[in-house]
Amino acid sequence: QVQMVQSGAEVKKPGASVKVSCKASGSIFTNYFMHWVRQAPGQGLEWMGSIYPSGGSAVYGQKFRGRLTMTRDTSTSTVYMDLSSLKSEDTAVYYCASSHTVSSGHDYWGQGTLVTVSS
Amino acid sequence: SYALTQPPSVSVAPGKTATITCVGNNIESKTVHWYQQKPGQAPVLVVFYDSDRPSGIPERFSGSNSGNTATLTISRVEAGDEADYYCQVWDSTTYHYVFAAGTKVTVL
Repeated sequence: QVQMVQSGAEVKKPGASVKVSCKASGSIFTNYFMHWVRQAPGQGLEWMGSIYPSGGSAVYGQKFRGRLTMTRDTSTSTVYMDLSSLKSEDTAVYYCASSHTVSSGHDYWGQGTLVTVSS
Repeated sequence: SYALTQPPSVSVAPGKTATITCVGNNIESKTVHWYQQKPGQAPVLVVFYDSDRPSGIPERFSGSNSGNTATLTISRVEAGDEADYYCQVWDSTTYHYVFAAGTKVTVL
C-alpha cells in the first residue's frame, strides 16, 4: 500500500517561511521522483518543483526560484518543501506527489496541507 | 513559459461522450498527462504519456495527442465522472511541468 502523509495545516504571517513535510512509504521514497503542486482557493493546479531520488538534486519552477527549497531525508523517508517570504497569494493547499520517472506524471499524491498566509 | 488552453467547462449527458481539449504550440512534441479532481480531494492521474491508463482507471478514459491539441475522451459518461480535469505537460528542455487551467465537467 503506497502512502504519502503530509504534515498539518499552517497559519503564517506575511514575510515568514513555512516548511511542509511529506512522509512516503519506503519503496516510493527510494525510487520515485517527488514533486510539489499547490492549489489556491478556487483555482487550478500549479506545479512548483521536483526533487530527484538520487543525490537529492531539485528543479524549481521559475516563479518560485529563490523562495523555494525542496529537500529529502533518507533516514525518515520524508521530503520537505520550504517556501520563504510568504505573501497572501501563497495561501493554498500544498500537495506532494510522486512519479516513477521524471516525466511520467504524478501517480501518487499526499492528502494536501493548507497553508494560510494572513496578518 | 509554455502556455496551455482548456475550455472552462464541458457539459455531457449520462451515457454520452465527453471530449476535453488541451491546446499548446506543437503539443504533440511534449509528454501530456491528465488528472481528475473531485471537490475536496487530491487529483488522480487518469491518463499518462498521452494515452496510457494507470491501473484501476476505466477503459472509458482515453487520450490522444496530435499537432497542437491533446484530447481526453470520456466514453459512456457516468454521474461519478463529474469533476475538474487538468492537462499537464512535461517539458524535456527545462524539466519543468506545466498545468492548464482545468475544465469542469458537468454531467447533466
